[in-house]
Amino acid sequence: DAGVIQSPRHEVTEMGQEVTLRCKPISGHNSLFWYRQTMMRGLELLIYFNNNVPIDDSGMPEDRFSAKMPNASFSTLKIQPSEPRDSAVYFCASSLAGTDTQYFGPGTRLTVL
Amino acid sequence: AQKVTQAQTEISVVEKEDVTLDCVYETRDTTYYLFWYKQPPSGELVFLIRRNSFDEQNEISGRYSWNFQKSTSSFNFTITASQVVDSAVYFCAPLSGGSYIPTFGRGTSLIVHP
Repeated sequence: DAGVIQSPRHEVTEMGQEVTLRCKPISGHNSLFWYRQTMMRGLELLIYFNNNVPIDDSGMPEDRFSAKMPNASFSTLKIQPSEPRDSAVYFCASSLAGTDTQYFGPGTRLTVL
Repeated sequence: AQKVTQAQTEISVVEKEDVTLDCVYETRDTTYYLFWYKQPPSGELVFLIRRNSFDEQNEISGRYSWNFQKSTSSFNFTITASQVVDSAVYFCAPLSGGSYIPTFGRGTSLIVHP
């Protein structure tokens, strides 16, 4: 079975540009999570969806970040405009339900110049 | 709320040595779950194990074993006969029963030298 799929794997962009990260959760999983990992802050939860509905977005840094889950098999995380401090690895994870084991995608390494 | 401490920032061993990674957690909940994840140099986060607070049996999977001691709030991970491919950052993550967000520790970087 396919795991969590993320695209792109690497993204290099210039400050001020819009960035869209994509995630396809494991089929049948009802919960989806977006995380950000940096050396300074470790792994941080950005937003959590359950049954396509955002449940907790308290980790979203600011209005420049937005996330959507239009259906059970697709989610996006958008940064507009991007800034150098957004450079990080962004992970998407999914689980059967909120408290079940989270399975992570390979991550998107974002570099904002 | 839960808290996790992985006191070992980095461990360096030579291949075939046994190594134990420590994890101490704090939680006020009686029902909780404990996870270990591995992050190899390639960057992905790989799920290793999940335990619930009611199951204190130790677990062995090949060269990996986990020792859960509820009395000391520890969930330590031992790799027997380490191999170079075990080189990675290992994260311990408790999850309280009423939450959906595991608390990830800062991780322990394991370097296995040939």
